[in-house]
Amino acid sequence: DTVLTQSPALAVSPGERVTISCRASESVSTGMHWYQQKPGQQPKLLIYGASNLESGVPARFSGSGSGTDFTLTIDPVEADDTATYFCQQSWNDPNTFGAGTKLELK
Amino acid sequence: EVQILETGGGLVKPGGSLRLSCATSGFNFNDYFMHWVRQAPGNGLEWVAEVRNKNNNYATYYAASVKGRFTISRDDSKSSVYLQVSSLRAEDTAIYYCSRLEGDILAPFDYWGQGVMVTVSS
Repeated sequence: DTVLTQSPALAVSPGERVTISCRASESVSTGMHWYQQKPGQQPKLLIYGASNLESGVPARFSGSGSGTDFTLTIDPVEADDTATYFCQQSWNDPNTFGAGTKLELK
Repeated sequence: EVQILETGGGLVKPGGSLRLSCATSGFNFNDYFMHWVRQAPGNGLEWVAEVRNKNNNYATYYAASVKGRFTISRDDSKSSVYLQVSSLRAEDTAIYYCSRLEGDILAPFDYWGQGVMVTVSS
């Protein structure tokens, strides 16, 4: 299975720019997606196909990358962005998820 | 408006069974592959099972951790998908989410239900 590696946690101040990384153990082309999950809620799609912004998601969120290295950027970060962010690949079977990056605001 | 609602969770003893249901509305169910994804308490997300649509012969796929114990099915007339979970183990304790995916290798899980809790404990 394709293993997705994310850093476990980040802490930033409101107004700053934050990048969350996801590295795949093998190429996933652009079959990478990003989700935001707040406590007690289901995951919410933010970015699909590595760089496409899901409808209704603020333009502060953006994604980039292809192959094995991907990045989710939030610029500027707002207090409401406190959450865990998961990457997920759909290129190789089975679908796999990263362990998540918990974003905290200072 | 797309709606996905899971039901059927609960507390079950090791070795027991449950049937999870996922009722959907607001989209053409026949066009979508349907999935179950689970999340153990305090943990990340784990894909569990997929059932494809009629055009793809209702093919089913399972994670290695549940193969042979879980069965996914769908009823297009009711826009619903089901997960029969059997021979349950403590490590199956999780929130089970139902999600849809348009049949494309680059497609994401774009809508999720709120999830249903399954607790396996004696």
